[in-house]
Amino acid sequence: GQNIDQPTEMTATEGAIVQINCTYQTSGFNGLFWYQQHAGEAPTFLSYNVLDGLEEKGRFSSFLSRSKGYSYLLLKELQMKDSASYLCAVRDTGDDMRFGAGTRLTVKP
Amino acid sequence: DAGVTQSPTHLIKTRGQQVTLRCSPKSGHDTVSWYQQALGQGPQFIFQYYEEEERQRGNFPDRFSGHQFPNYSSELNVNALLLGDSALYLCASSLEAFREKLFFGSGTQLSVL
Repeated sequence: GQNIDQPTEMTATEGAIVQINCTYQTSGFNGLFWYQQHAGEAPTFLSYNVLDGLEEKGRFSSFLSRSKGYSYLLLKELQMKDSASYLCAVRDTGDDMRFGAGTRLTVKP
Repeated sequence: DAGVTQSPTHLIKTRGQQVTLRCSPKSGHDTVSWYQQALGQGPQFIFQYYEEEERQRGNFPDRFSGHQFPNYSSELNVNALLLGDSALYLCASSLEAFREKLFFGSGTQLSVL
């Protein structure tokens, strides 16, 4: 089986930094993904980690620790448009990708 | 370059009916995955098609079936609809050689009354 846990909701202030955590348990591991989903829209790809460490991409960074089954998504210099759901997903040794329930982030002025 | 397209965008059905949802993958992509997303939840994997065959399946009953055509487009069929089948159905495409990145369509919102 596969469990993927992330906080349900988070709130942060425009211009600040927020960290969204994700813990997972899988029988195998072949990559961890973060997707952004605005209300009523399709999920869009943000980041991919397969090795331990930090991947930085502009204002967004993602970290992975395979031994701890842990990842986080770091969003810097928050903007109002960053208000969305952030989905953590894991691919095990199969071909499918399993998603967590998502973290709904609200950015306030 | 068109992304992943799904049709229809919205659909209303009654219990017991059957429904077919359609997906055209992003140009050049050969793999199609289907997901069900209930309100406030993450997408749940239904199945994946590659080379016109179902390659992997999630925890969904046999009422959910699919097909992939030679042009890589795909259909999702759901028989004997239940109220609990009401959800957003997302199609995602990828290239077999670069499976780390899925591209999602905007989905079909299915309401079962």
